[in-house]
Order: sequence, then C-alpha cells, then structure tokens
Amino acid sequence: GNSVTQMEGPVTLSEEAFLTINCTYTATGYPSLFWYVQYPGEGLQLLLKATKADDKGSNKGFEATYRKETTSFHLEKGSVQVSDSAVYFCALSAPSGAGSYQLTFGKGTKLSVIP
Amino acid sequence: DTAVSQTPKYLVTQMGNDKSIKCEQNLGHDTMYWYKQDSKKFLKIMFSYNNKELIINETVPNRFSPKSPDKAHLNLHINSLELGDSAVYFCASSLMTSGSGGEQFFGPGTRLTVL
Repeated sequence: GNSVTQMEGPVTLSEEAFLTINCTYTATGYPSLFWYVQYPGEGLQLLLKATKADDKGSNKGFEATYRKETTSFHLEKGSVQVSDSAVYFCALSAPSGAGSYQLTFGKGTKLSVIP
Repeated sequence: DTAVSQTPKYLVTQMGNDKSIKCEQNLGHDTMYWYKQDSKKFLKIMFSYNNKELIINETVPNRFSPKSPDKAHLNLHINSLELGDSAVYFCASSLMTSGSGGEQFFGPGTRLTVL
C-alpha cells in the first residue's frame, strides 16, 4: 500500500533559520505530492503541491521538489518566521481504485519558531 | 464565502449518547471525505463519497454512519459514543476530474470530547 514517512518532530528553530522537513513516500504508479499546514486550532491548508516528477511546488517562501529517483518531497524554507509555527503534513494522492483519489498522510512534524 | 464548513466546532457529550456533525462545501466539488485526527495529530481517512455514493469505507466501527443528502453535504452520525471517539474530525472535499491530482480542501474541524 501507499505510505508517507516524514521526520519526527518537534523541530525548534530560531527566527531566520533554514528549515528542512524530510518526506519520503512509497506508492505504486505516479502519485501527486502535497504539503499541508495546520496552524494551532485550525484545519489543514494546502501549502504547496507537485503533480509529476521534477515539479517544484512553492508558496509563501516554502519549496519542495518531487524527486522520483529518491521518492522524496522535502520541504524547505530559507528563513523561517515565528508565524510559521505549525504542524506540517506531507501527503500523497493516488487513485483509490474506487473512482476517487485517496490522500495518505505522514504523521506530521510540529515546527516551533522562537524569536 | 467559507469553502468547507463544519458544525459544530466543539462537541462535548457523555458516553453512550448519539451525535451528528454536519459538513457543507460551496466549491462545486463532487467528492467529500471524513477524516479523524487523534491526539498525536495522526490523520486517518474514514469515509469518502462521490456524487452521494459511498466509495471509501475504511475500517471504522459501524456506530459511525455517514450520510450525503446531496453533493454539497456530508454528515457524520455517531451512535453510542465511546471515550475513544474523542478526536478532531475533519471534513474535506475535492473535484475528481479537475486534474489537480486529488487536491483536497479541508474544513476547520470539529473537536469531539466524550466524557
């Protein structure tokens, strides 16, 4: 079956530090890959996505590149801010065989950015 | 102009009670989902409906019964609530044929506490 593995948290960084959250996946076929972010007390928001190999998703200074050869989709940001403190989820989407796409999530990585 | 809305936001109830959570989306999507997020933030799909038909039904106790009166609504009814049902429940929606690779839009969540 499909699975997503992301680095365990929590991750604590100082403001303006460089962020990497590792994500690797196992899937049959060619999944789409996503990063979702969950701010405290809120639902999940799509942060960025990539639908095919070598695509780079980017948003709000965050980037991730779909690497088929290493089955990875690592999230990076060059300079984090306190407002980036949240839980980050890597996810893959693949046809479920029942006529829809099914999202498979990693366990989430909690990021805390301190001033 | 809320995209995916859920009611209520918080639900506190006694063991053994029956409760419902409602979800509505105004995005014109054809597929809706229910997820459960446990205390460790792990997200697991419970159900998926496409055009009012059940297409994903993960291993969930049959005390949980989803109902989709139309494409824009997917409600979750839970009978005989147990302590282990305490969690945050998220509704999501997507458009199967959009070519977006299965991107899903999430509601704000319903925090269920069973006492």
